[in-house]
Amino acid sequence: GAVVSQHPSWVICKSGTSVKIECRSLDFQATTMFWYRQFPKQSLMLMATSNEGSKATYEQGVEKDKFLINHASLTLSTLTVTSAHPEDSSFYICSARVPGGDTEAFFGQGTRLTVV
Amino acid sequence: GQNIDQPTEMTATEGAIVQINCTYQTSGFNGLFWYQQHAGEAPTFLSYNVLDGLEEKGRFSSFLSRSKGYSYLLLKELQMKDSASYLCAVVDSNYQLIWGAGTKLIIKP
Repeated sequence: GAVVSQHPSWVICKSGTSVKIECRSLDFQATTMFWYRQFPKQSLMLMATSNEGSKATYEQGVEKDKFLINHASLTLSTLTVTSAHPEDSSFYICSARVPGGDTEAFFGQGTRLTVV
Repeated sequence: GQNIDQPTEMTATEGAIVQINCTYQTSGFNGLFWYQQHAGEAPTFLSYNVLDGLEEKGRFSSFLSRSKGYSYLLLKELQMKDSASYLCAVVDSNYQLIWGAGTKLIIKP
């Protein structure tokens, strides 16, 4: 199956700093990627849809100025958590689907962010 | 609005069979996925149904009834490693994935 690589797997940062998370589709071109957030014992919460070459579409309640998304190429999307605070500590997962509409979502490994 | 319902938690015994149900109300339907997610890991694909009926894949089977807005994931010969969350996701008319909250499955010896 298709492969999506997410980096880093985990990161610890100080409150007030910014953290960048990368999501790459390794063997296919992804015009659209999805960023999720997952709190312990809860399901995936879609944060935003990342569109190559255009602005991301954010879900209601997600601050676009805090969670910056850049989809600069067909194989790379980045999520930057700006001015991170302890409440931003969570598991962040990206996914992409091979163009075709009804295909499965391939997930990155996830990034465990801890803000201290 | 769009809604996916699945039980929050289920418990089963090693070696037994368990059925995890998923009901959905979405704007359009272009298929239903089941994913398995172990704690602290990303979800992994289990099955995809777009036509009514049963799809069997080893110990796991998935069933779909589009008229009833209903699916289930059937796990046979349960193993301890099957302890995980199982996520139901529907592809709506815009080909967006709508996720259920997941069912935590606990396997006891």
